[in-house]
Amino acid sequence: AQSVTQPDIHITVSEGASLELRCNYSYGATPYLFWYVQSPGQGLQLLLKYFSGDTLVQGIKGFEAEFKRSQSSFNLRKPSVHWSDAAEYFCAVGAAGSARQLTFGSGTQLTVLP
Amino acid sequence: DVKVTQSSRYLVKRTGEKVFLECVQDMDHENMFWYRQDPGLGLRLIYFSYDVKMKEKGDIPEGYSVSREKKERFSLILESASTNQTSMYLCASSFSSLGGTFFGQGTRLTVV
Repeated sequence: AQSVTQPDIHITVSEGASLELRCNYSYGATPYLFWYVQSPGQGLQLLLKYFSGDTLVQGIKGFEAEFKRSQSSFNLRKPSVHWSDAAEYFCAVGAAGSARQLTFGSGTQLTVLP
Repeated sequence: DVKVTQSSRYLVKRTGEKVFLECVQDMDHENMFWYRQDPGLGLRLIYFSYDVKMKEKGDIPEGYSVSREKKERFSLILESASTNQTSMYLCASSFSSLGGTFFGQGTRLTVV
């Protein structure tokens, strides 16, 4: 069975600082990987996704993520955080070829200090 | 833009009531999902449907049922609401994994 671990429950960074949110997955074959963001009281918005090819993927709002097969990781990064990035971030994995279902991590809450 | 609309943002129901949560998507997506979101637990899949009248259990189907009579609409039913079903419920839809999964705004259900 596939699983996702987000080891950081809560991260606090200062505005303008760089950000890295960790995600580790467990899956036997090539995974489909996603990052979603959830602002307070809202649904989830897709930030970026990885299926194959270039292991560094670009997303919306200036985010990027790097797939590292050897480490089973798909960490999310942003070079300079804005106050509006404060939200909860979810990593998810889907099964290649039949990814009707996504398995989500437990989320990382990001606080941005002025 | 893909739109997934949940009929209510907030609901308060009494224990034992039958509760219907409605979801509509406007992009002709084949797949629709109901998730439950609780602090520290992330999103857990309750049920999903890959076609009209088709449904499959997710990870936590107990106490829930679903209905999909039309392609665009997917309903979650709590036959007899209990306080441990107080939660945020998220509906989602997708055509395939390649396009990503799109979520509604969520319904925060409180059972008293």
